[in-house]
Amino acid sequence: AQSVTQLGSHVSVSEGALVLLRCNYSSSVPPYLFWYVQYPNQGLQLLLKYTSAATLVKGINGFEAEFKKSETSFHLTKPSAHMSDAAEYFCAVSDRGGGADGLTFGKGTHLIIQP
Amino acid sequence: NAGVTQTPKFRILKIGQSMTLQCTQDMNHNYMYWYRQDPGMGLKLIYYSVGAGITDKGEVPNGYNVSRSTTEDFPLRLELAAPSQTSVYFCASSYSNRGRRTGELFFGEGSRLTVL
Repeated sequence: AQSVTQLGSHVSVSEGALVLLRCNYSSSVPPYLFWYVQYPNQGLQLLLKYTSAATLVKGINGFEAEFKKSETSFHLTKPSAHMSDAAEYFCAVSDRGGGADGLTFGKGTHLIIQP
Repeated sequence: NAGVTQTPKFRILKIGQSMTLQCTQDMNHNYMYWYRQDPGMGLKLIYYSVGAGITDKGEVPNGYNVSRSTTEDFPLRLELAAPSQTSVYFCASSYSNRGRRTGELFFGEGSRLTVL
């Protein structure tokens, strides 16, 4: 069974500072990995995804994530936080085997940007 | 592009009432999903469908039913509403590439349900 652990339910950074949101996964096969962002009262939208090409994945809004198989991690980073980055972020894993049963999500990390 | 559309956006139910959350997508995606989101718990899969006429249970299916008569529509029915079903419900769709599921989900804006 797959699982995702996001370390820290809330992360607070100053505007302009580095953003680091942590995600570790557990999967029996090399997975697909995703980061989604949810702004208040909205659905989730895809930030970026890893599907076995380059291990460093670039997404929208200046975010990137690095797949590290040895650490079973897929941490999300952004060099300089902006106030508009305040949102809930979800890491998710999918079985590469082709099963149809959706994504397994972490519990989410609420990113707070301090002015 | 409408994408994934959910209705209603908000609803208050009394215990024991029934209702249907509607979901429709215009992207011709074969896979569709219903998730519920509770504070601090992430998203839990309720039901999913791999195509018209085919549905299957997810992680938390009790108290819910679904149908998939067309590619576009995937309604979620609550038969006897209970306070434990107070949640935000998200419908999502996905597509396959050369027969393999891509995993990327496209979400609706959610339906906030309160059961009193």
